[in-house]
Amino acid sequence: AQRVTQPEKLLSVFKGAPVELKCNYSYSGSPELFWYVQYSRQRLQLLLRHISRESIKGFTADLNKGETSFHLKKPFAQEEDSAMYYCALDDTGNQFYFGTGTSLTVIP
Amino acid sequence: ETGVTQTPRHLVMGMTNKKSLKCEQHLGHNAMYWYKQSAKKPLELMFVYNFKEQTENNSVPSRFSPECPNSSHLFLHLHTLQPEDSALYLCASSQRFDAETEAFFGQGTRLTVV
Repeated sequence: AQRVTQPEKLLSVFKGAPVELKCNYSYSGSPELFWYVQYSRQRLQLLLRHISRESIKGFTADLNKGETSFHLKKPFAQEEDSAMYYCALDDTGNQFYFGTGTSLTVIP
Repeated sequence: ETGVTQTPRHLVMGMTNKKSLKCEQHLGHNAMYWYKQSAKKPLELMFVYNFKEQTENNSVPSRFSPECPNSSHLFLHLHTLQPEDSALYLCASSQRFDAETEAFFGQGTRLTVV
């Protein structure tokens, strides 16, 4: 069963507009959730994790256990935010589960 | 290079060839992973090694054979591959059972099967 769902494969927003990348998960325990980002020609890398409650590059993500969601948000998108974004769940056991990814394009 | 290093970065091989992908991590992690990233598919977990023991094999064809000789090195041996196996193969490592675990990824090996 798919544990992490990212419903949008492609997302385009204008520079300066708010952006939200959706992520829903399915897990009965207490998951650890992450957002990973892959910029063009760079390696997949961690953007942020829910337990840190931090803001990285202006992005934030709040874990909503009631809605089993972990949406990634940024109030004002920048061109350099264009990348592939993956939501991931760590079941604190054997492995990470990744979503299918959302390709974000920020239009100048 | 610190972190997770994969070699080679690019590989072109024929369907009858045998080749190996290599991954090294210098982070002291106890778990390593192979992922396959295809152009039109989600990131797919192939193999997981915890403490050098293989714990997951997500129905990967036997033409892919992993090897983990120690906690710092991971190999993916390839033989008689198919063109549809062409993809980016990513290695990752993490510290399992740690409070703030995250996966660190290598830059990948771009494999083309001809």
